[in-house]
Amino acid sequence: GAVVSQHPSRVICKSGTSVKIECRSLDFQATTMFWYRQFPKKSLMLMATSNEGSKATYEQGVEKDKFLINHASLTLSTLTVTSAHPEDSSFYICSARDRKREGYNEQFFGPGTRLTVL
Amino acid sequence: LAKTTQPISMDSYEGQEVNITCSHNNIATNDYITWYQQFPSQGPRFIIQGYKTKVTNEVASLFIPADRKSSTLSLPRVSLSDTAVYYCLVGPPGSSASKIIFGSGTRLSIRP
Repeated sequence: GAVVSQHPSRVICKSGTSVKIECRSLDFQATTMFWYRQFPKKSLMLMATSNEGSKATYEQGVEKDKFLINHASLTLSTLTVTSAHPEDSSFYICSARDRKREGYNEQFFGPGTRLTVL
Repeated sequence: LAKTTQPISMDSYEGQEVNITCSHNNIATNDYITWYQQFPSQGPRFIIQGYKTKVTNEVASLFIPADRKSSTLSLPRVSLSDTAVYYCLVGPPGSSASKIIFGSGTRLSIRP
């Protein structure tokens, strides 16, 4: 149980294009999902908290117009990197909290998406 | 959110017990301690969580002293596949807005 998937697992795009990454909770419902990015040999950096049915909450320094987040259902959140540039190349990871277990401080992480912008 | 401090890296050998200690001097009364494991190019995986004393599961043990200002993750008889980065996190349960802030983690390397 508690499986989170991400699609695509790997994407290569040209500079200036937009890329959408999907995060799905497969066997539970998630009112809250989180998006992280991770550079090589570095820790995960929280980008934003995605709330079902409402606007995402972005961490300081993260451009909300650059990283569009939509959490339209209890099992799906999407991150769109708009007008991607080489410096956006990174490993993007999502996580989700089970709405039935929100009394526990646990998150279930997806496998990550490797974005390379040429 | 309580800040955590861990060793940057550790080395050990197959079959040994490995103990990774995390300091969290500013832990709050309602904070839990959680450990995650991350392999290269994968998302973190939950290992163990505890509040006080000792917690054990099929993968690891977590030792928390009475003052809760530190915790120790114990991995019994490690193998090469335990080579990974281990993150110690501290935070409150409950609120749907609770977010996890990752520290630098400990890069554990296991040698034959």
